Amino acid sequence: GAGVSQSPSNKVTEKGKDVELRCDPISGHTALYWYRQSLGQGLEFLIYFQGNSAPDKSGLPSDRFSAERTGGSVSTLTIQRTQQEDSAVYLCASNDGTDTGELFFGEGSRLTVL
Amino acid sequence: TQLLEQSPQFLSIQEGENLTVYCNSSSVFSSLQWYRQEPGEGPVLLVTVVTGGEVKKLKRLTFQFGDARKDSSLHITAAQPGDTGLYLCAGQTYTGGFKTIFGAGTRLFVKA
Repeated sequence: GAGVSQSPSNKVTEKGKDVELRCDPISGHTALYWYRQSLGQGLEFLIYFQGNSAPDKSGLPSDRFSAERTGGSVSTLTIQRTQQEDSAVYLCASNDGTDTGELFFGEGSRLTVL
Repeated sequence: TQLLEQSPQFLSIQEGENLTVYCNSSSVFSSLQWYRQEPGEGPVLLVTVVTGGEVKKLKRLTFQFGDARKDSSLHITAAQPGDTGLYLCAGQTYTGGFKTIFGAGTRLFVKA
């Protein structure tokens, strides 16, 4: 597709369940980011993939959070044993990996943990 | 840890007024971007500034990058209701690749 695609767009789950969020970046983009945004707030950095380099996981809030990027393309963010405080919009973005590269965002996955 | 602090966090003004949003850090950035986000959508790039002291204009929006490349400002002249949204500054630093971090955002509401 032409843009960044995320799925699901909405996910409602029960506390303690695991969830997987998927991101399909723009073809050819070497850099992929996951951010978390709580209602009305800014973007909290979670994890950053750049080419074949080891991912920068410094923003993951706990060991319940993990992410993979297979074949340098699609990425999956997994949250294990979800908690109510995990409720937020999870945004994926990609760019060409340069310092001036525009970040292109998906529409986000809204996660609600009951 | 690089942090970007934005101020104010919230701004409610009348149509026609001017405003300035600030983005500050103790870290040096190779470049800085401003994004605008509307409800239910991802942020969209407004501008990228690269050189210390650089000023860029986009219609009624003026962006400035500080001389030391640690801070930036966004000035809007004669704000319109269509300017309403969340404005986010984002800095790029090199950590094995160019990583982008965001400020907390400034929510602007322009009343007609």
